[in-house]
Amino acid sequence: ETGVTQSPTHLIKTRGQQVTLRCSSQSGHNTVSWYQQALGQGPQFIFQYYREEENGRGNFPPRFSGLQFPNYSSELNVNALELDDSALYLCASSLWRGGVTGELFFGEGSRLTVL
Amino acid sequence: DAKTTQPTSMDCAEGRAANLPCNHSTISGNEYVYWYRQIHSQGPQYIIHGLKNNETNEMASLIITEDRKSSTLILPHATLRDTAVYYCIVRVWNQGGKLIFGQGTELSVKP
Repeated sequence: ETGVTQSPTHLIKTRGQQVTLRCSSQSGHNTVSWYQQALGQGPQFIFQYYREEENGRGNFPPRFSGLQFPNYSSELNVNALELDDSALYLCASSLWRGGVTGELFFGEGSRLTVL
Repeated sequence: DAKTTQPTSMDCAEGRAANLPCNHSTISGNEYVYWYRQIHSQGPQYIIHGLKNNETNEMASLIITEDRKSSTLILPHATLRDTAVYYCIVRVWNQGGKLIFGQGTELSVKP
């Protein structure tokens, strides 16, 4: 149990809709990153937030966006959902200190199904 | 663009040591090797990491070759609860230290 909580745990959307996923960081952590895991694949890095700003982004289109709040919690927003967006979305928190981040601690994920 | 290669699957007898190999021949000097595992439908769990020295913690040992081109994760006494997908990851320090996951090794611990 990492102390990283995600909501909702499961949700179903239809193509073209928008979705917001939420993540609460482990206490004391100041950095949040998001990963997408398609069925049978390893997680893929979406982006990372530190001090409420994006400081790293993977190969995902702009319809994937995020926010980090002053309490270090975070949201992942996906617009214009496509069938291929069906996946487990994982949030991970870590502590950025001295220019590097420590170990990432993952939540249990939000499973999104797009019909 | 995973920087590691691992066997797709491995079996291990309960109580025996599980040795999981990983190749990372293109690793750069400041990139760490991390290991995570993922039990079905759960979030990845941190196991251990290292730069060039061997490391040990309460979960596992990590042996890194002198040229740093490969490493081995050792679970000294595997239990049924160690059945999971094990990911060997090279941590890239641009973009905030993102983890680049490969396909991982599916370890089955059998009674």
